[in-house]
Amino acid sequence: RKEVEQDPGPFNVPEGATVAFNCTYSNSASQSFFWYRQDCRKEPKLLMSVYSSGNEDGRFTAQLNRASQYISLLIRDSKLSDSATYLCVVNIGVGQGNLIFGKGTKLSVKP
Amino acid sequence: NAGVTQTPKFQVLKTGQSMTLQCAQDMNHEYMSWYRQDPGMGLRLIHYSVGAGITDQGEVPNGYNVSRSTTEDFPLRLLSAAPSQTSVYFCASSPGTFYEQYFGPGTRLTVT
Repeated sequence: RKEVEQDPGPFNVPEGATVAFNCTYSNSASQSFFWYRQDCRKEPKLLMSVYSSGNEDGRFTAQLNRASQYISLLIRDSKLSDSATYLCVVNIGVGQGNLIFGKGTKLSVKP
Repeated sequence: NAGVTQTPKFQVLKTGQSMTLQCAQDMNHEYMSWYRQDPGMGLRLIHYSVGAGITDQGEVPNGYNVSRSTTEDFPLRLLSAAPSQTSVYFCASSPGTFYEQYFGPGTRLTVT
């Protein structure tokens, strides 16, 4: 079983749409969780950390369900500039070497 | 702050050549890592370091060496380049075990 699995995508949505990405992880010892954004031919950049109580940053909302080992990212009112690949990242807490990346979900927002 | 910097941005090597990819950070982070990213494979960890003088292997360490003589620098050495090492290489740093990582802009390496 893959350690971090994401929806394969691509997600093609119109501007203004709401889109949700899901991610599951296999290691119950996972300690911290993040969503990263990666633009084409660029480095991954932190979008937001994911907290147990859920957290929101503007149009972006992240949720964590430890019991189901499930993370989600909701983007409201999609903009053209949201087009990117979104990476789910899980840290199982035994040092830097245990940061596990999902393969990413590609989002394309169309006018 | 410059954050995480990597040089060179692009490199073409012939099979068997060696080279060093440079990585530096100015955030005083203890943790640094090297990843490679290939189409369809996602990011894979090559080597990482939890502090100066301490390094460890990641998922795909073969063919690569690292050292960490200072907090700021974490170079990655390709010992004898092979076409299978054609990839995009990212260096990252982090303030601690449970924290987010900050990535450099990457080095695009082609081995012919």
